[in-house]
Amino acid sequence: DVKVTQSSRYLVKRTGEKVFLECVQDMDHENMFWYRQDPGLGLRLIYFSYDVKMKEKGDIPEGYSVSREKKERFSLILESASTNQTSMYLCASSFLENTEAFFGQGTRLTVV
Amino acid sequence: GENVEQHPSTLSVQEGDSAVIKCTYSDSASNYFPWYKQELGKRPQLIIDIRSNVGEKKDQRIAVTLNKTAKHFSLHITETQPEDSAVYFCAAEETGGFKTIFGAGTRLFVKA
Repeated sequence: DVKVTQSSRYLVKRTGEKVFLECVQDMDHENMFWYRQDPGLGLRLIYFSYDVKMKEKGDIPEGYSVSREKKERFSLILESASTNQTSMYLCASSFLENTEAFFGQGTRLTVV
Repeated sequence: GENVEQHPSTLSVQEGDSAVIKCTYSDSASNYFPWYKQELGKRPQLIIDIRSNVGEKKDQRIAVTLNKTAKHFSLHITETQPEDSAVYFCAAEETGGFKTIFGAGTRLFVKA
């Protein structure tokens, strides 16, 4: 079974803090993604990566950055957390284009 | 870029009835259309997908149809059961194949 593991299930951070969300996949997938899930808005793509050290902006990259130093790990960074970044964050990976995406269990981030 | 619209946002059916969820997309070059199911508190998981060279695909009680001319695709669930209650997301993969855009989701309630 493909496993996509996110480092935390719940996080509470203060406004202005730098926040790291970590994601690891164990199936040697090329592509990795970070989504944000909000009620009524579905899953919105923040950033994705199709290779080590490669990154591409999704639809809502403002306020976020990413890092992919190793193939299996994709990190999402909130440089200065704000309350409007309170959300559920989902990491996903896929082997090739046009194939199934496997999701992590999600990190519910609350910024106070 | 690609835009995916999904309707309805909420759907309530009686156990045993059929449920239909509809999606439209904007990029005529999109060629991969997955559907994900997310049960309460769990991660989204692929339930069925269809590629642009196919008009219909079935898997037991689930079927997906694709009309490329009209740029819409639909999920059909027959003989619904309480365990079908979940949020369903349609998606379309952009040209180039790395960026999957999701609809806003449909919350399906199946009443026993």
